[in-house]
Amino acid sequence: EPEVTQTPSHQVTQMGQEVILRCVPISNHLYFYWYRQILGQKVEFLVSFYNNEISEKSEIFDDQFSVERPDGSNFTLKIRSTKLEDSAMYFCASRGYRDSNQPQHFGDGTRLSIL
Amino acid sequence: SQKIEQNSEALNIQEGKTATLTCNYTNYSPAYLQWYRQDPGRGPVFLLLIRENEKEKRKERLKVTFDTTLKQSLFHITASQPADSATYLCALRRQAGTALIFGKGTTLSVSS
Repeated sequence: EPEVTQTPSHQVTQMGQEVILRCVPISNHLYFYWYRQILGQKVEFLVSFYNNEISEKSEIFDDQFSVERPDGSNFTLKIRSTKLEDSAMYFCASRGYRDSNQPQHFGDGTRLSIL
Repeated sequence: SQKIEQNSEALNIQEGKTATLTCNYTNYSPAYLQWYRQDPGRGPVFLLLIRENEKEKRKERLKVTFDTTLKQSLFHITASQPADSATYLCALRRQAGTALIFGKGTTLSVSS
């Protein structure tokens, strides 16, 4: 069964450094998402992306975050100047159809640790 | 703002029993509700989606109900097995857009 893949599985970065998290969504999917989960807390929405632009974002997704689909397969999340509170699991998800009632498929995440 | 509450953080049951998990929501009238399973260190895995005009949905040992008057969904696992031990997440679509809002989850432990 096709799946969403994320790399790296674990990223350790010094505070203030830039980090790029990578995702390969399911190949024929059209809608892409980033979520994060701080340890012990709920999964929180960051941003969604459709037709090469951001379609919605949460209040968490501020100017230090950006997303890009640099080619036909990758979807990236960049954090420009990391802070301690950015430490979390970051999940990428994709959805195939225009019907928003279809489920989202999640990758296994990147654990981001900021030192 | 939209809120989702999953009443129990943890639920412990014996193998073979039925597990019932609750999801309540406020300030919203969703067209559908989804349930996901999350294992430690893994991403959420989709289980079931139920629409507002469906009272009940089944998939193998799983059953979901959706009461839009009570603003509540119940998630049942019948004949539970130790392999069912995981965290179960309830999710609704954000009012504006297609992204999901998740509850904090209920961690189910099934002992043999």
